[in-house]
Amino acid sequence: GQQLNQSPQSMFIQEGEDVSMNCTSSSIFNTWLWYKQDPGEGPVLLIALYKAGELTSNGRLTAQFGITRKDSFLNISASIPSDVGIYFCAGATSGTYKYIFGTGTRLKVLA
Amino acid sequence: DAGVTQSPTHLIKTRGQHVTLRCSPISGHKSVSWYQQVLGQGPQFIFQYYEKEERGRGNFPDRFSARQFPNYSSELNVNALLLGDSALYLCASRQGSYNSPLHFGNGTRLTVT
Repeated sequence: GQQLNQSPQSMFIQEGEDVSMNCTSSSIFNTWLWYKQDPGEGPVLLIALYKAGELTSNGRLTAQFGITRKDSFLNISASIPSDVGIYFCAGATSGTYKYIFGTGTRLKVLA
Repeated sequence: DAGVTQSPTHLIKTRGQHVTLRCSPISGHKSVSWYQQVLGQGPQFIFQYYEKEERGRGNFPDRFSARQFPNYSSELNVNALLLGDSALYLCASRQGSYNSPLHFGNGTRLTVT
């Protein structure tokens, strides 16, 4: 099935470092969502974006809706061990109920 | 408020059998979606229901079917199970508008042997 491309696929970082990841699409989206998924659990919504260029924060997390509407970015500042998990982006076009998810970025934090 | 609840949490079935998965949305949410997540991949869209009507269907065979009840809970049915149907099945609810975010349950882990 169709999936968005997320980069990087996985990353190891030191506790306290900042993290950046991105998500790209060949299609234009009207909504971007970012989720975190821990083992054995469902994805948890982190941030929702609705307008090109929009920058939204949730604590140490900041996400941006790319101006081309074909990409989105997530930054995590001052990472902590509980940031470990898989981060998924998801996008939806106008007039559809379906979200397309990315391939995921697996984050591992070294204490 | 309770989040999205799914049952059962785990299920083991044999090839050719049938399975029914259940989902209760967040109170006040009228829309339910079903996604399949194969190990190592992102969720894939299966169905979207809103006000008991199917509003969208993903690229899944007719062995997959779903319905939504008057209380907005939902069932996903899969017939003639294949080994490849082994996955985490996620249910998500939303308030209804097409661009509102999905809120997921913890899923049902289906293993087909």
